[in-house]
Amino acid sequence: DQQVKQNSPSLSVQEGRISILNCDYTNSMFDYFLWYKKYPAEGPTFLISISSIKDKNEDGRFTVFLNKSAKHLSLHIVPSQPGDSAVYFCAASVSGGKLIFGQGTELSVKP
Amino acid sequence: DAGVTQSPTHLIKTRGQHVTLRCSPISGHKSVSWYQQVLGQGPQFIFQYYEKEERGRGNFPDRFSARQFPNYSSELNVNALLLGDSALYLCASSLESPGHSYEQYFGPGTRLTVT
Repeated sequence: DQQVKQNSPSLSVQEGRISILNCDYTNSMFDYFLWYKKYPAEGPTFLISISSIKDKNEDGRFTVFLNKSAKHLSLHIVPSQPGDSAVYFCAASVSGGKLIFGQGTELSVKP
Repeated sequence: DAGVTQSPTHLIKTRGQHVTLRCSPISGHKSVSWYQQVLGQGPQFIFQYYEKEERGRGNFPDRFSARQFPNYSSELNVNALLLGDSALYLCASSLESPGHSYEQYFGPGTRLTVT
């Protein structure tokens, strides 16, 4: 049972445009959501997080939106840069416990 | 400040052997978690430890075990290695605080190849 799903395996955008990565979840007990960025042969790098009591969190070019009724979250990157090209994972947890990850979306930002 | 460190970086083992992977958390972090990542998938949770106590265990066989030491470093042990154990093993640490910081910070991983 895949509790966290990223339905788009890949996404390609032009430099300077917005990248929108999506994530759906099924477990209504999740109360914390995180986005990680991963390059090949490296560990995931924490990007941004959001608590279930909020619906938006911003950090520089990165914004995460949470729609609890739809059990959906998204990561917006504006403007996208070639260095943003990587695999992005969303993850969810209950009260700081284990992270449940989606399958990842590979973002390619073209110059 | 140093991030999460893991050793070794790469490891090649033969089926049936045993392996020990090591992790040092970020200074001040008291919680350590282990994850397994196979190609094309997201990391899968194996164990979580806090203050040397097991907090959670994922759906992995008993061949997998772990422990946390008084200095908060941790070891992951895998016995009777199978070909399917080949993966990137990730360690993550987090700061347990009264405000509950839930971000987990990952190390670079150990690439285990079982032949």
